[in-house]
Amino acid sequence: GQSLEQPSEVTAVEGAIVQINCTYQTSGFYGLSWYQQHDGGAPTFLSYNGLDGLEETGRFSSFLSRSDSYGYLLLQELQMKDSASYFCAALLISSGSARQLTFGSGTQLTVLP
Amino acid sequence: EAGVAQSPRYKIIEKRQSVAFWCNPISGHATLYWYQQILGQGPKLLIQFQNNGVVDDSQLPKDRFSAERLKGVDSTLKIQPAKLEDSAVYLCASSLGQDETQYFGPGTRLLVL
Repeated sequence: GQSLEQPSEVTAVEGAIVQINCTYQTSGFYGLSWYQQHDGGAPTFLSYNGLDGLEETGRFSSFLSRSDSYGYLLLQELQMKDSASYFCAALLISSGSARQLTFGSGTQLTVLP
Repeated sequence: EAGVAQSPRYKIIEKRQSVAFWCNPISGHATLYWYQQILGQGPKLLIQFQNNGVVDDSQLPKDRFSAERLKGVDSTLKIQPAKLEDSAVYLCASSLGQDETQYFGPGTRLLVL
């Protein structure tokens, strides 16, 4: 089956840097996305890696290594508002050629003052 | 630009009752998704539409769940009859195409008693 592994919880202080890792075992892998979800809110898109390497978007960066089936999300200059759940999601090609996301279980990030 | 709209936001029903959820995607988005998110887990894809056709419904429990996309725009998801384990948040998302960023609605929180 398709599976993505990420830590369940991470805690860091305001202003710090935190890295959330994601390893995957999938077939039909196309790319890796990251989504943020605040309690009671909708998942919102943060980043996508279709190729190996680093993608930078403001304070957030994401990395992908296809050979290692591994990616990470790097959050810099942490702010209290970054406290949320972060999901890695693999974009996969299904047997019917549909492209669809399979999500990990999420990492709950708590930012302390 | 208006986001993905969903209704109702909350629903409480008793087991064996039926319930329906409605989704209006972002204008012009061809691809529409329904996800189920159980507390503490990542969203799980139930069904994916491309315009008004079903692309993938392999994870939809078809004995009790059904979905349709009217004229390639709005969509409804129905559960009949509901079970206790259907208690979850039902998220609708849309994207321009299958490889594009998915935009999520606020979700419908369903509690089955």
